[in-house]
Amino acid sequence: GAVVSQHPSRVICKSGTSVKIECRSLDFQATTMFWYRQFPKKSLMLMATSNEGSKATYEQGVEKDKFLINHASLTLSTLTVTSAHPEDSSFYICSALAGEVTLDEQFFGPGTRLTVL
Amino acid sequence: AQRVTQPEKLLSVFKGAPVELKCNYSYSGSPELFWYVQYSRQRLQLLLRHISRESIKGFTADLNKGETSFHLKKPFAQEEDSAMYYCAPLESGAGSYQLTFGKGTKLSVIP
Repeated sequence: GAVVSQHPSRVICKSGTSVKIECRSLDFQATTMFWYRQFPKKSLMLMATSNEGSKATYEQGVEKDKFLINHASLTLSTLTVTSAHPEDSSFYICSALAGEVTLDEQFFGPGTRLTVL
Repeated sequence: AQRVTQPEKLLSVFKGAPVELKCNYSYSGSPELFWYVQYSRQRLQLLLRHISRESIKGFTADLNKGETSFHLKKPFAQEEDSAMYYCAPLESGAGSYQLTFGKGTKLSVIP
């Protein structure tokens, strides 16, 4: 089945530094990837939709200059949290939408836990 | 590591028929469990969580710790229920948490 990986799985960084999270579709091409953020005890929040070869579409309230998304290839999207602050500590999940499937489904990565000290 | 299994990739039922979407988890602790739904070309959204014990859009889900299951049920399916459904256990403890998604089940309600 389709597999999506995320790297790193956990990262701890100091306030003010930048962190890059990778999302890869391992055995299929993903023209569209989604980035979500999970707040404690709450539902997922869609941050942005990433389309290969074009600029990401950000949801309202998400700072595009702080959360940089790059979808440079059909198998890789990256999320960079710039100048991270403790309030950015969260669980970030990506998912990938396979371009040619009949079931119109997305495949989720395992998530990345970011802790900003 | 916890694991979540949704054994059915595709489930087709007729309108008005009962629906049960299966979810089994493998986890040593006491997870909090969620069902997420994604309608065609729309964003993923939370359907219900087991701790609230609520019914959303006619759906209910009971946590069965003995069977480690959290099946999603609805007595009478509607066409608008056609969507992808994801079961997701939340592991939490010591200030950390991790959400794991199942592979999803596509529900198709036949008119």
